[in-house]
Amino acid sequence: DTGVSQDPRHKITKRGQNVTFRCDPISEHNRLYWYRQTLGQGPEFLTYFQNEAQLEKSRLLSDRFSAERPKGSFSTLEIQRTEQGDSAMYLCASSLSGGANEQFFGPGTRLTVL
Amino acid sequence: AQSVTQLGSHVSVSEGALVLLRCNYSSSVPPYLFWYVQYPNQGLQLLLKYTTGATLVKGINGFEAEFKKSETSFHLTKPSAHMSDAAEYFCAVSDRDTGRRALTFGSGTRLQVQP
Repeated sequence: DTGVSQDPRHKITKRGQNVTFRCDPISEHNRLYWYRQTLGQGPEFLTYFQNEAQLEKSRLLSDRFSAERPKGSFSTLEIQRTEQGDSAMYLCASSLSGGANEQFFGPGTRLTVL
Repeated sequence: AQSVTQLGSHVSVSEGALVLLRCNYSSSVPPYLFWYVQYPNQGLQLLLKYTTGATLVKGINGFEAEFKKSETSFHLTKPSAHMSDAAEYFCAVSDRDTGRRALTFGSGTRLQVQP
């Protein structure tokens, strides 16, 4: 297994458009996380799944954002009616459950909203 | 809520000099503690973590960090900087007592290594 992958790596869109990002975690990992990172800041937690269940959502995750992990494998993050403030790097991570297991991060999807 | 403070958004050292990156956390119950490194246009890579036991933790690439409960700190050090260490470093914590595993990150420290 080559690690966490994310697609696309870059996305440029116009304000008001919808975008969807995909994350493929490490295959045996049952936890999957989404974070957002803006320039000069550390990543901020958005949401996480254990298997297919979405267990926590940050208040950063407005109603324009939705995430799914339909079969407990890959996940998608959709942003509807994008705004310029949504421009950021969206990072996905996965881990095993239990204890302080390491989160392995993907390379991220950089979103630019014009 | 947890918070993480990294003092110094930019640190510059000479090649071969000591690297010291500072991290303090806010919770009264010591959390799990992590240091991640991020190279340009890449995801984050774990350098080291503290969960329990020995308070001096050794990580990859010659880095180590010491957990000091009395100071609520988890500073990252490396005895001798290398040019390849130039990157952004993030301290992160997750709750030990609630079972919540989302990471809370500091704002990062960009390390420059001068030849």
